[in-house]
Amino acid sequence: AQSVTQLGSHVSVSEGALVLLRCNYSSSVPPYLFWYVQYPNQGLQLLLKYTSAATLVKGINGFEAEFKKSETSFHLTKPSAHMSDAAEYFCAVGTTGGGNKLTFGTGTQLKVEL
Amino acid sequence: GAGVSQSPSNKVTEKGKDVELRCDPISGHTALYWYRQSLGQGLEFLIYFQGNSAPDKSGLPSDRFSAERTGGSVSTLTIQRTQQEDSAVYLCASSSRTGDNYGYTFGSGTRLTVV
Repeated sequence: AQSVTQLGSHVSVSEGALVLLRCNYSSSVPPYLFWYVQYPNQGLQLLLKYTSAATLVKGINGFEAEFKKSETSFHLTKPSAHMSDAAEYFCAVGTTGGGNKLTFGTGTQLKVEL
Repeated sequence: GAGVSQSPSNKVTEKGKDVELRCDPISGHTALYWYRQSLGQGLEFLIYFQGNSAPDKSGLPSDRFSAERTGGSVSTLTIQRTQQEDSAVYLCASSSRTGDNYGYTFGSGTRLTVV
C-alpha cells in the first residue's frame, strides 16, 4: 500500500519569498513521486517527477523537489514566489507494478501576497 | 488529439437521473484513468484501463458507477441514479506507458452537480 501526506492545506508566502510545500510518502517498495499543479477550473498539470534517477529534480516554472529516502520526503521548493504561482499543488506516489496508478495527497493551496 | 478532452465541462442533473461523462484521451495513449475530486478533498481513484486488459475497478464507490472504453480510445463514465454525494469534479487522465510511471496528462474535468 502507498500513501501521501501533504502538511499544510494552505500556505501563504510573499512575492519573492521562498516557497516550500511539504510532502511525505509511505511505500513498501521504491516509489515514483510526482508534483502536479492545478489552476482554477483547470485539470492537473505535471510539474516534475522523480523516477529513481537524480534525487534533485527540476521542473517547470522554476520549481524543484528533492527525494530524501531517509526522511521519506519529496518537498517542493521555489526560490522566489511569483503571483502566477498561486494555485493548488498535489503530491502523488506510484510504484512499479502498480499499473501506474497514482495515489494523491489532499493538496496544498498556495497563496502569494504582494 | 493534442490533449485529453472531457465533455461536458459542466453538468447539472436532478437526483435520481443517470449521467454519462466522456473522456477522449491523447492519441496513442494506452492507459486511461478516472479520478474524482470532491470539494476540499484530494483525488480519489475510480477506475483504470490499460489496453485490452480487464480494467481495474477497485476504486468505484458503488455499483451505480461503471465505465467502459471502446476501441481502446474514448471512455465513458456512467453514474446511475445520481445522489447528491456524487457532486464532484470528475477528472480523466491518460498515460503513454505503464510500469514506468511517466506521469499522467489530465483533462480539464467535468464538474457534476446533483440537485
